[in-house]
Amino acid sequence: RKEVEQDPGPFNVPEGATVAFNCTYSNSASQSFFWYRQDCRKEPKLLMSVYSSGNEDGRFTAQLNRASQYISLLIRDSKLSDSATYLCVVEIGGFKTIFGAGTRLFVKA
Amino acid sequence: EPEVTQTPSHQVTQMGQEVILRCVPISNHLYFYWYRQILGQKVEFLVSFYNNEISEKSEIFDDQFSVERPDGSNFTLKIRSTKLEDSAMYFCASSERNTEAFFGQGTRLTVV
Repeated sequence: RKEVEQDPGPFNVPEGATVAFNCTYSNSASQSFFWYRQDCRKEPKLLMSVYSSGNEDGRFTAQLNRASQYISLLIRDSKLSDSATYLCVVEIGGFKTIFGAGTRLFVKA
Repeated sequence: EPEVTQTPSHQVTQMGQEVILRCVPISNHLYFYWYRQILGQKVEFLVSFYNNEISEKSEIFDDQFSVERPDGSNFTLKIRSTKLEDSAMYFCASSERNTEAFFGQGTRLTVV
């Protein structure tokens, strides 16, 4: 099993749609979890941290399920500008982070 | 808004040469990282650095690589005897605590 696994997509959705991404991780000792977005040939940009209690930031909601070792990201009311690759990131301790390969999202008008 | 700055944005080097990639982390950050991303592949962790020493390194970060914080602001990655397969985007990142990391815009290294 890969350390961090994501569905590569692509997800093609119309503007205004709700879309959800999942990510699974293999190391049960993982401590911190994040979602980043990456535009083509750009640096990863932090979208949000993921807390055990779940957290929401505007149209974005992240959830963590430690028992099943997965995290999720929900995007509501998709915008054209949401088109990007979404990266699941897991910190496995010792300041070492593992990136998933990313899920590509295309939002169409 | 404070940001991580990397120079150069693009470096072309001949196989076998040494390169130094430079980074200026966000000023009050204490944790520093280097990552690489080969074109079309995922972001890979190389090394983390805290309190003037390496905290963690990946299998990729072998004797060919070294990091240094030569002064209070710069953080460098040195790659000795570059190989074709070292061609990639190299990202520097920093974080205030052991939390969210902020990335620089990257240095694209091309080994010819």
